[in-house]
Amino acid sequence: DQQVKQNSPSLSVQEGRISILNCDYTNSMFDYFLWYKKYPAEGPTFLISISSIKDKNEDGRFTVFLNKSAKHLSLHIVPSQPGDSAVYFCAAEKRSGGSNYKLTFGKGTLLTVNP
Amino acid sequence: EAQVTQNPRYLITVTGKKLTVTCSQNMNHEYMSWYRQDPGLGLRQIYYSMNVEVTDKGDVPEGYKVSRKEKRNFPLILESPSPNQTSLYFCASRRGFGLGGELFFGEGSRLTVL
Repeated sequence: DQQVKQNSPSLSVQEGRISILNCDYTNSMFDYFLWYKKYPAEGPTFLISISSIKDKNEDGRFTVFLNKSAKHLSLHIVPSQPGDSAVYFCAAEKRSGGSNYKLTFGKGTLLTVNP
Repeated sequence: EAQVTQNPRYLITVTGKKLTVTCSQNMNHEYMSWYRQDPGLGLRQIYYSMNVEVTDKGDVPEGYKVSRKEKRNFPLILESPSPNQTSLYFCASRRGFGLGGELFFGEGSRLTVL
């Protein structure tokens, strides 16, 4: 049972335009959501996160939006740059009320930003 | 420099030959975990450890063992590797849970079992 879903295996965007990566989750106990970025031959690195008490978190060119009623989050990258080309993993966990010490990842979306 | 170090980075081995992938972190993190990444399957957790001498199974623990005798080290042991364990493995650590407790990943160990 896949609790975190990234339904788009890949996304191609022109440099300077907006990239929107989507993620859906099924477990209503999740209350903290993260995005990780992975370049080839490197480990994933933390990009941005959001708590379920918020609906938006912004860090420079990166913004994460959370729609709890739809169990959906999205990562917006504006403007997109060729260096953003990477695999992006969505992840979720339960932090409040006693964590289950488990971060559940989606399958990832390969973003390609074309010059 | 804060880091998670895995060794070896690349390994080709044969079925049944025991191997260990080491993992060490220098951030004094309590929590450590192993993941495998496979095409179309994303990152799946193998085992995790909340502290020294405390380990537990993740989603895909079959065929693997771990130990946590010291806080900084969390080796992954394949007692009798099989071809279905050919994968890219990542070790990760985090300070704890709550605000700021994000996962730090190593650079990965690519294992091929023939």
